[in-house]
Amino acid sequence: QVQMVESGGGVVQPGRSLRLSCAASGFSFSSYAMHWVRQAPGKGLEWVASILYDGRNEYYRDSVKGRFTISRDNSKNMLFLQMNNLRVEDTAVYYCGSAPDDDYWGQGALVTVSS
Amino acid sequence: DIQMTQSPSTLSASVGDRVTITCRASQSISSWLAWYQQKPGKTPKLLIYKASHLGSGVPSRFSGDESGTEFTLIISSLQPDDFATYYCQQYYTYPYTFGQGTKLDIK
Repeated sequence: QVQMVESGGGVVQPGRSLRLSCAASGFSFSSYAMHWVRQAPGKGLEWVASILYDGRNEYYRDSVKGRFTISRDNSKNMLFLQMNNLRVEDTAVYYCGSAPDDDYWGQGALVTVSS
Repeated sequence: DIQMTQSPSTLSASVGDRVTITCRASQSISSWLAWYQQKPGKTPKLLIYKASHLGSGVPSRFSGDESGTEFTLIISSLQPDDFATYYCQQYYTYPYTFGQGTKLDIK
C-alpha cells in the first residue's frame, strides 16, 4: 500500500539547520511532482515548496526562498527539505505529499524553532 | 500571488443539513482548484480536484462547483464524520495558495 514516512523533525535554535526526509513507497514516486506543506500550531495550511517529477524545477514561497531547498532522489523514492537559517516563524508541522495530483501524504514532522 | 478568500471561516450545522463553503480566487485559475478536509491532529485529505472531480474513495455527498473565479464545496447531507476543517487550494500557478479554512462544527 502507499506509504510516505517522514523523519528529521525536532527542536532547533533560531539560525540553525534541519533536514526533513520523506520515504515513499507503493506508488510511482518518480512520476509525481512532490510538495511540502506546513501548518503552524493552531493555524491553516501553508504551501512551502514543490519539485517537479524529474527534479529539474523547484518552487518556493517567498518567506523560505534562499533558506530552504527541496530535492528528491528518484532512485531511492526519497524527498527532502533542507532548512537553513531557521526562524521562530518556521515552527510548524511539515507534511510531504503529492496532492493535489493524488492523495498521498506523510504523517507530518514537527519542527520547533526556539531559543 | 493569487489570493484565495474562503468563506465562512466557521459554520455551525446539523446532521442532515446541506452545507456550502465558498472560495474566491483573486484572478482566474481556470479549474485548478482542490478541496481538502482536515481533522484535528490528522493529515489533510483530498476531497475534490480540478474544481469538481471527486477524489478516490470520497463519498458522493461531496461535490464541487465553479463559476468564474468562485468555487463551491457542497456537502449534500452532513454526516457525523464530516465535522472538520475544510481548505481550498489553487494550483494554477506557483506559489500555490490555500484559503484560510472553514471550521465546520455541530450546531
